[in-house]
Amino acid sequence: DIVMTQSPDSLAVSLGERATINCKSSQSVLYSFDNKNYLAWYQQKPGQPPKLLISWASTRESGVPDRFSGSGSGTDFTLSISSLQAEDVAVYYCHQYSSSPLTFGQGTKVEIK
Amino acid sequence: QLQLQESGPGLVKPSETLSLTCTVSGDSIRSSAYYWGWIRQPPGKGLEWIGTVDYSGSSGSAYYHPSLKSRVAISADASKNQFSLKVNSVTATDTAVYFCARQVQTGSLGRGNFDLWGQGTLVTVSS
Repeated sequence: DIVMTQSPDSLAVSLGERATINCKSSQSVLYSFDNKNYLAWYQQKPGQPPKLLISWASTRESGVPDRFSGSGSGTDFTLSISSLQAEDVAVYYCHQYSSSPLTFGQGTKVEIK
Repeated sequence: QLQLQESGPGLVKPSETLSLTCTVSGDSIRSSAYYWGWIRQPPGKGLEWIGTVDYSGSSGSAYYHPSLKSRVAISADASKNQFSLKVNSVTATDTAVYFCARQVQTGSLGRGNFDLWGQGTLVTVSS
């Protein structure tokens, strides 16, 4: 199984400041035949299902604010929120879909400082 | 607008079978672009993929997490546009919120990210 490890487990950021979440996979999620990273990011607010924010490591889903961005390749990935808003308080998960079993990171809780 | 809705008992006794159904509206489970998956989340914990069904062909193929494969079955009913989950011999560790989700087909063997989710349903295993 590919183990996904996120850091930190939680972080508190002031409104308007940048939040950065890291995700490391135990094996590469980059497929050489299509040069794509099979890595997604989700946002989960309390009492709600996860919402897909980013696929292919850096492709924002339709309707996702451009303050959210994803980067990285191979085994190391980052989700950044450029200017934290109150509505961004949530738990964020990375997810690899390159090989079965599909796995998720343990989650990173983002709060307002 | 696509919607997924989980339904089933909220309380299951230990050693019995957990059965849930996901009703899909606004899309067909026969779509060639998507799989249909189940994910669970124990209270206060992270996400665990349970399994996926591919109904884009004439019959469904299912893929499961190896740790659950011996106890889990996922099937689909195209006539009702539903897919279902059964987990046998449940214990307290199966207590979780169970989500159904649409899964973008990005490869074979049930691989893909989950682009749309149901609201989830809490299933508690207790006598």
